[in-house]
Amino acid sequence: EDQVTQSPEALRLQEGESSSLNCSYTVSGLRGLFWYRQDPGKGPEFLFTLYSAGEEKEKERLKATLTKKESFLHITAPKPEDSATYLCAVQAGTGANNLFFGTGTRLTVIP
Amino acid sequence: TAGITQAPTSQILAAGRSMTLRCTQDMRHNAMYWYRQDLGLGLRLIHYSNTAGTTGKGEVPDGYSVSRANTDDFPLTLASAVPSQTSVYFCASSVGPSAKETQYFGPGTRLLVL
Repeated sequence: EDQVTQSPEALRLQEGESSSLNCSYTVSGLRGLFWYRQDPGKGPEFLFTLYSAGEEKEKERLKATLTKKESFLHITAPKPEDSATYLCAVQAGTGANNLFFGTGTRLTVIP
Repeated sequence: TAGITQAPTSQILAAGRSMTLRCTQDMRHNAMYWYRQDLGLGLRLIHYSNTAGTTGKGEVPDGYSVSRANTDDFPLTLASAVPSQTSVYFCASSVGPSAKETQYFGPGTRLLVL
């Protein structure tokens, strides 16, 4: 059965304290792995897509990496405005209707 | 750019009543989706539409119906609401229905069924 597990569930960081969020997955035939950011009361906001093991994407303080079993979202020198829930989703199968989401990591960055 | 709009923003609904959640996108995307988000669970797909005139069932379709009369609109109907349908509902769209397409989400509708 396709599964997506994110860890930790919650993470508190001091401003400037770098860390990583994990997304481990078991899917048959990964077509893509997506990272989203979700602010309270808002819809998920697209961050990155990774398609194959070894691929990396960067945007400001965020860097996403992908292996055959997991993806990491590295946050370098975070700021309070990076506080949000980060969602990982994996696409298996041939259709876009096979997007499976993890439950997210709630990140809090303390000034 | 508006992207995806959803209405209403929030709603309290008596059990047994019907309701339609509206979703409109202005990106001319072919594919659209409805998800529900519940505490402790990931976003779960309710129904999807790969193109205007077609719809399909997702992971949790029971109690919901959809239609796709045109490219821009994808309404979700609860025929007879039950308390377990209390949730936050998100509409999403993608350029096409292929597996590598990015899905973009609307702001959500918060529904409380009493």
